[in-house]
Amino acid sequence: QKEVEQNSGPLSVPEGAIASLNCTYSDRGSQSFFWYRQYSGKSPELIMSIYSNGDKEDGRFTAQLNKASQYVSLLIRDSQPSDSATYLCAVKGAGSYQLTFGKGTKLSVIP
Amino acid sequence: SAVISQKPSRDICQRGTSLTIQCQVDSQVTMMFWYRQQPGQSLTLIATANQGSEATYESGFVIDKFPISRPNLTFSTLTVSNLSPEDSSIYLCSVVAGQGAYEQFFGPGTRLTVL
Repeated sequence: QKEVEQNSGPLSVPEGAIASLNCTYSDRGSQSFFWYRQYSGKSPELIMSIYSNGDKEDGRFTAQLNKASQYVSLLIRDSQPSDSATYLCAVKGAGSYQLTFGKGTKLSVIP
Repeated sequence: SAVISQKPSRDICQRGTSLTIQCQVDSQVTMMFWYRQQPGQSLTLIATANQGSEATYESGFVIDKFPISRPNLTFSTLTVSNLSPEDSSIYLCSVVAGQGAYEQFFGPGTRLTVL
């Protein structure tokens, strides 16, 4: 059974700080990794994808992948109250398009 | 990215009835999926909607309960049959847009409440 684990939170950070969100996965054959942001009452929105070990930066967001440790993280720099949402980690295995989602981490950015 | 719409956006249904949800994309897409998100939970894949053939269901989901159609590359329907209160969830379609792409994009969702 493929599993994706995230701390449920809530994670509270002050405005302007760095928020660090973590995710581990069980399927060593996983190839693609995604972070979605979900505001309350809305559908998930893709904010980052990462396929290779290392860091990938997009604006205030940095995704980090370590396949050896089966670990993926999302850093949000200069956190804003508008970043307050649930962040879902999703993992795609080899040979299929199917995603396995973690339960999500609720982030609260305090003004 | 593709623009995805779902109808209805929400509905309240009686026990024992059925609800059909439509997913429309503004461009042809490679893959379409249906997910369920129960209250306070993460997303669970129901099935892959295959164009012109039967959907591929995940463990725990069956065609009699969740019949799916995908008549072309831009449209799919999910029916939730014989409704019970346990079916109260948000139902989401997602798409993978192009060959060689892996990123999935979600529609706005359908919030179903069963009384």
